[in-house]
Amino acid sequence: QSVLTQPPSASGTPGQRVTISCSGGYSNIGSNPVHWYQQLPGMAPKLLIARNDQRPSGVPDRFSGSKSGTSASLAISGLQSEDEAEYYCAAWDDSLSGWVFGGGTKLTGL
Amino acid sequence: QVQVVESGGGVVQPGRSLRLSCAASGFNISPYGMHWVRQAPGKGLEWVAEIWYDGYNIYYEESVKGRFTITRDNSKNTVYLQMNSLRAADTAVYFCARARGGGDPNDAFDIWGQGTMVTVSS
Repeated sequence: QSVLTQPPSASGTPGQRVTISCSGGYSNIGSNPVHWYQQLPGMAPKLLIARNDQRPSGVPDRFSGSKSGTSASLAISGLQSEDEAEYYCAAWDDSLSGWVFGGGTKLTGL
Repeated sequence: QVQVVESGGGVVQPGRSLRLSCAASGFNISPYGMHWVRQAPGKGLEWVAEIWYDGYNIYYEESVKGRFTITRDNSKNTVYLQMNSLRAADTAVYFCARARGGGDPNDAFDIWGQGTMVTVSS
């Protein structure tokens, strides 16, 4: 059972928009920024969104992040086949004094 | 090219030890926090340990406290994970990752290695 809760799966078709949620608590998302990672099959994770809504250089603007209270969301617009991957949210947890990840959301259907 | 490369994985019996290395190239690790993150077969990501840029702020996931030790050698541009008293539940791919900054909660993990597999089995 992960500290951060994500839906295990999400689906969409090319061109659509999909949103992935990440729910936590006051000690993690409520107090610290959320970061999002993309993991393509068989590959290492890649930073997608930093500090709730910042896109690192090279990440398409189709990807966007937001945070409100103890929840965060990753939105992907204009879905493309290469977006089929696992997506993870992560944040520092003040109570645990450690980093926590969501269980991951597998995006399929592309 | 900025990258980190893990090594040291393998098959080990329960209760034995293993030391993983994470060699950085293309950047100096001195100002950066560094992490170990693992992924059990078919499972999600689990953070394991972090060492801040100063080498003094060190944090561990609860299940590895007292068994794993993260260290850094800035002169060798390398981070280590000493794993003792290994258990079957420690079986995973272990990724090394760089923090975007010194290691505080604002710092996402921006550079990841390809990982090294650790299998704990008798």
